[in-house]
Amino acid sequence: EVQLVQSGAEVKKPGESLKISCKGSGYSFTSYWIGWVRQMPGKGLEWMGIIYPGDSDTRYSPSFQGQVTISADKSISTAYLQWSSLKASDTAMYYCARLISTSDSGEFDYWGQGTLVTVSS
Amino acid sequence: SYVLTQPPSVSVAPGKTARITCGGNNIGSKSVHWYQQKPGQAPVLVIYYDSDRPSGIPERFSGSNSGNTATLTISRVEAGDEADYYCQVWDSSSDHPVVFGGGTKLTVL
Repeated sequence: EVQLVQSGAEVKKPGESLKISCKGSGYSFTSYWIGWVRQMPGKGLEWMGIIYPGDSDTRYSPSFQGQVTISADKSISTAYLQWSSLKASDTAMYYCARLISTSDSGEFDYWGQGTLVTVSS
Repeated sequence: SYVLTQPPSVSVAPGKTARITCGGNNIGSKSVHWYQQKPGQAPVLVIYYDSDRPSGIPERFSGSNSGNTATLTISRVEAGDEADYYCQVWDSSSDHPVVFGGGTKLTVL
């Protein structure tokens, strides 16, 4: 059974750093892209970026380039999303999801349960 | 960058048919995927490649895509279908290939 299990909720202060995780199981972790998606309170889904754990190829949405870092450790089948200096506007639910991709399409077929990040002074 | 436009809300009576649209420039040339998100839950893929259903998704959910509009159709709507629905495409011409629509809140009256 394919599963993506995310790390638990976080409460941080502005300016602090944070790294959240997404552990995959039940499939070949290195053979599928993993994406990160932000959902701010009461808002829609925003694609942040994707990483291919097999070779760490990473693509970022222009909206998030330079704001976050996506990485993966294939030895433990885990992808990460990290911030070096959080802002209150980073308060959101963050989802990881497995991407099924071909040359001309890609969809997210399995999703993690989400990690709620709250940034408040 | 590619833009997908969804109506903010759609309302439908139980037992009727709901149609949720997703507009984009020549979207008919792309594959469209649809997600359902119920309150407090992660999104779930309900339609991929315009009209295919993942295992476990009821046949009441169907999709179509042509011209500048893709449509998610939910037949015989049930109270449990009340959720937010998002369309998504893969823009293969871009270095930033994943695009989501803004989402549509489906209300079952």
